[in-house]
Amino acid sequence: GDSVTQMEGPVTLSEEAFLTINCTYTATGYPSLFWYVQYPGEGLQLLLKATKADDKGSNKGFEATYRKETTSFHLEKGSVQVSDSAVYFCATYSGAGSYQLTFGKGTKLSVIP
Amino acid sequence: DGGITQSPKYLFRKEGQNVTLSCEQNLNHDAMYWYRQDPGQGLRLIYYSQIVNDFQKGDIAEGYSVSREKKESFPLTVTSAQKNPTAFYLCASSIGDRTRKSGYTFGSGTRLTVV
Repeated sequence: GDSVTQMEGPVTLSEEAFLTINCTYTATGYPSLFWYVQYPGEGLQLLLKATKADDKGSNKGFEATYRKETTSFHLEKGSVQVSDSAVYFCATYSGAGSYQLTFGKGTKLSVIP
Repeated sequence: DGGITQSPKYLFRKEGQNVTLSCEQNLNHDAMYWYRQDPGQGLRLIYYSQIVNDFQKGDIAEGYSVSREKKESFPLTVTSAQKNPTAFYLCASSIGDRTRKSGYTFGSGTRLTVV
């Protein structure tokens, strides 16, 4: 079955630092890839997505590029803010038999002033 | 605006009681899902439903039950058989065969505490 591996957290950065959260996946065929963000006490929100190889998803200064050759979808942001403190989930969808997404375990990011 | 509504946001249950968590969506989504989230453990799938009147067990269905009598509604009952029900519960939905492009939409969650 599908699987997603994210870098373990927590990750603590100073404001304006560069962020990378690694995500690699195993999936059949040509999956779609997603990043979700969860702020404290809330549900998950879709942050960005990519549906085919070499696509770049972007939103709110975050970017991730679908790399099929390395089966990766790393999340990056050039300058983080305190308001980016949250848990980030990488997910894949291959459509193998159901409509389910497969999620990574999440990476907690804390940004300090 | 369309979305998913989970209620209540906070719920307290005495040991030995059943409790039902509500999940309603007005997105016209076919598929709905229930996840449990514990600190540091990510998301674990409890039940999912791809069409009305049909649902399947996820990875941790024991002690839980669901129904899908209407497309818009997918309530989750936490029974007294669930040994450790204190957790954050998330409901999600998707457009079925468009999940590939759109992913899931999540509700804001219900925090259940056993007292």
